[in-house]
Amino acid sequence: AQSVSQHNHHVILSEAASLELGCNYSYGGTVNLFWYVQYPGQHLQLLLKYFSGDPLVKGIKGFEAEFIKSKFSFNLRKPSVQWSDTAEYFCAVNVYGGSQGNLIFGKGTKLSVKP
Amino acid sequence: DAGVIQSPRHEVTEMGQEVTLRCKPISGHDYLFWYRQTMMRGLELLIYFNNNVPIDDSGMPEDRFSAKMPNASFSTLKIQPSEPRDSAVYFCASSLRERGGEQYFGPGTRLTVT
Repeated sequence: AQSVSQHNHHVILSEAASLELGCNYSYGGTVNLFWYVQYPGQHLQLLLKYFSGDPLVKGIKGFEAEFIKSKFSFNLRKPSVQWSDTAEYFCAVNVYGGSQGNLIFGKGTKLSVKP
Repeated sequence: DAGVIQSPRHEVTEMGQEVTLRCKPISGHDYLFWYRQTMMRGLELLIYFNNNVPIDDSGMPEDRFSAKMPNASFSTLKIQPSEPRDSAVYFCASSLRERGGEQYFGPGTRLTVT
């Protein structure tokens, strides 16, 4: 069965530190890839997505992610985090490139940014 | 567009009572999803519909849970009878096939069963 792995359960950083959250998926075919963010007490919101083309995608609030097909990875990065980035981050995969509707979510990574 | 609408936003009920959660997807979307989120188990997909037809209900925890989608603009998730372990935040999400799986989440219903 397809799965999504997020390597870190909880990451704690100081403001201005750089961030990289790992995401790997297990499916050898065409995929669409997503990162969602959930701020405390709120619902999941789309941060960025990759369907095709340039494997480096830029999202909102200075986040970016790189798709590396050979490594089945879609890591999320931000050069300098802010306290307001404190949230839970979910990686998600749509297999078959969107021909099926559901997403497979990772278990999430909690990010705590110390002011 | 108003986004995905869920009601109620908060529900407190006693064990054994019936609970009905409601969801209005984004107009024109052809997929609807129900998720449950708890600290212990994280985000779980319960069931999803395509064009009002249930496609996968393997995540529904037990027969006490049921979901319906009588039309393209409305869905319900019912728990009968409710138990304290059902306490969670329940999210509804919708998507459009042409959008490649991108889901839009509602604000959630926080359910507390005492």
